[in-house]
Amino acid sequence: GQSLEQPSEVTAVEGAIVQINCTYQTSGFYGLSWYQQHDGGAPTFLSYNALDGLEETGRFSSFLSRSDSYGYLLLQELQMKDSASYFCAVSRQGGKLIFGQGTELSVKP
Amino acid sequence: DAGITQSPRHKVTETGTPVTLRCHQTENHRYMYWYRQDPGHGLRLIHYSYGVKDTDKGEVSDGYSVSRSKTEDFLLTLESATSSQTSVYFCATGETSYEQYFGPGTRLTVT
Repeated sequence: GQSLEQPSEVTAVEGAIVQINCTYQTSGFYGLSWYQQHDGGAPTFLSYNALDGLEETGRFSSFLSRSDSYGYLLLQELQMKDSASYFCAVSRQGGKLIFGQGTELSVKP
Repeated sequence: DAGITQSPRHKVTETGTPVTLRCHQTENHRYMYWYRQDPGHGLRLIHYSYGVKDTDKGEVSDGYSVSRSKTEDFLLTLESATSSQTSVYFCATGETSYEQYFGPGTRLTVT
């Protein structure tokens, strides 16, 4: 089987740093992706890690540890517009992408 | 942004009727996907395609079928709609499985 675990909700204040964790169990693992979704709209791609380590894209960074089946998304200098749902997703052999249930991030003033 | 459109955007239908949702892309992406999104379940993969006439099942494929006769179009059919299929349906495309571009979604209500 396969499973992904991420917190359902996270709250942080504007300007702060927040980390959203994701643990996974799956066979045929290729890599871990992160997506953002505002208010039920179309999800948008944020980042992808195939190898261990940290990938940085502006205010967002993503980390992967394949040996621990663990990754996280780090959001720095939080802004109100970062309030959204964030999904981790495992890329598997054969072209499938399996999503976690999502973390709702609320950024407070 | 990838040009991905979904039609219809909203549909209300009765239990037992067949329903077809259409996804159209202008990016010539290899992969196309259908997901459903329900509260508490995130995005669940229904079916996907890795090329014209090449499709495979996802996590929640029962009651759904797909067809891809052209690169740009991916159709999702609910053979006999049930109330449990009330959901928001998203189409996605990509050249890789890990970086997907999503359409605006179709809100389907089965009464």
